[in-house]
Amino acid sequence: EIVMTQSPATLSVSPGERATLSCRASQSVSSNLAWYQQKPGQAPRLLIYGASTRATGIPARFSGSGSGTEFTLTISSLQSEDFAVYYCQQYNNWATWTFGQGTKVEIK
Amino acid sequence: EVQLVESGGVVVQPGGSLRLSCAASGFTFDDYAMHWVRQAPGKGLEWVSLISWDGGSTYYADSVKGRFTISRDNSKNSLYLQMNSLRAEDTALYYCAKDIYPYSYGPGDYWGQGTLVTVSS
Repeated sequence: EIVMTQSPATLSVSPGERATLSCRASQSVSSNLAWYQQKPGQAPRLLIYGASTRATGIPARFSGSGSGTEFTLTISSLQSEDFAVYYCQQYNNWATWTFGQGTKVEIK
Repeated sequence: EVQLVESGGVVVQPGGSLRLSCAASGFTFDDYAMHWVRQAPGKGLEWVSLISWDGGSTYYADSVKGRFTISRDNSKNSLYLQMNSLRAEDTALYYCAKDIYPYSYGPGDYWGQGTLVTVSS
């Protein structure tokens, strides 16, 4: 089983600042890595897939990088609507998904 | 517009059974694999199950294997999750999600709003 580990658990950031979230896989997932945003009371929203491809309608301030076991989601300039929980997910293990435990981005 | 609407969540006793449904619209349903994902109150996301576009292949998380059965009816654009031998730890909001790629497996690009299953005596 592939284990996904996200850090930090909570990230305190001021609006307008840059946020960097990390995700590590217990074994290589190639570039089969996605990032989701979830706000309270809402379903997850796909932000990034293929480690670095923005999903439809996702603003350019969201970017993803990495491959193999180390991945990063960067939000270049945090807007008020970006405060949420972010999950990474691997889909390299054929037909099964594994999520990280999430990183909460909160207002500093 | 893609829409996924889950239903069927209720309060059920431990050991009981339940069937969840997910009604899909706005896309060619039988071109895409579909997933169930759950989220326990205040917790993270846990993948539950996947069914291929034609229903010919199914996959399950170890935590539900042998108790849950995923199925689909492409003539009705509907996805199902039959849940048997329910346990307290199955209490969660259950989401259905559409796979992003036709005839393949990838992440989920559209999710429903979820249906709440509570297992309690």
